[in-house]
Amino acid sequence: QVQLVQSGAEVKKPGASVKVSCKASGYTFTSYGLGWVRQAPGQGLQWMGWINAYNNNTNSAQKLQGRVTMTTDTSASTAYMELRSLRSDDTAVYYCARRLRRGLFDYWGQGTLVAVSS
Amino acid sequence: DIQMTQSPSSLSASVGDRVTITCRASQSISTFLNWYQQKPGKAPKLLIYGTFSLQSGVPSRFSGSGSGTDFTLTISSLQPEDFATYYCQQSYSTPPTFGQGTKVEIK
Repeated sequence: QVQLVQSGAEVKKPGASVKVSCKASGYTFTSYGLGWVRQAPGQGLQWMGWINAYNNNTNSAQKLQGRVTMTTDTSASTAYMELRSLRSDDTAVYYCARRLRRGLFDYWGQGTLVAVSS
Repeated sequence: DIQMTQSPSSLSASVGDRVTITCRASQSISTFLNWYQQKPGKAPKLLIYGTFSLQSGVPSRFSGSGSGTDFTLTISSLQPEDFATYYCQQSYSTPPTFGQGTKVEIK
């Protein structure tokens, strides 16, 4: 069965970087893209970007461009999302999700809490 | 960006009730509309894609309708496990955008 397992919670200081991993299993990793969506405490869902696991093409949200990098390690069936220059309003649960087509996400990771606090 | 607006923001209902949630897009998105269910502390779960199609394993009491800018999620007979927050999302254009969510609570 399709599974996406994310790395554990992180606490970071403002200005630091965080790198979240998402290990996929149960399907051919390079046949689908991986998207990243975040959810601030008590808030809705915000798309951050996605990566094509076949050719590593990426597309990210305009407000995050320059701060976010998405990569993959196909040998490990793992995707990574790095967010730099963290601010307090980056505090959120970060989800990876398999991109079925266009912006449709059919399987989601369990989420990774990133807390940014001085 | 396409804005997605859900109504109501929350509702209270009883087990067995018929529940309807509405989602409106700021421009036409054809039928590229998806619904997700999220329970507290859990990841979103895909319920319906392409406005009408039920994701595998989702009970048939869930159904979707609409096209263009106006869409509806209907739960025909609310069950205890359906109390959750529901999000609509458009996959017509990039960036994909979500509604603000509708919380379904127990009356």
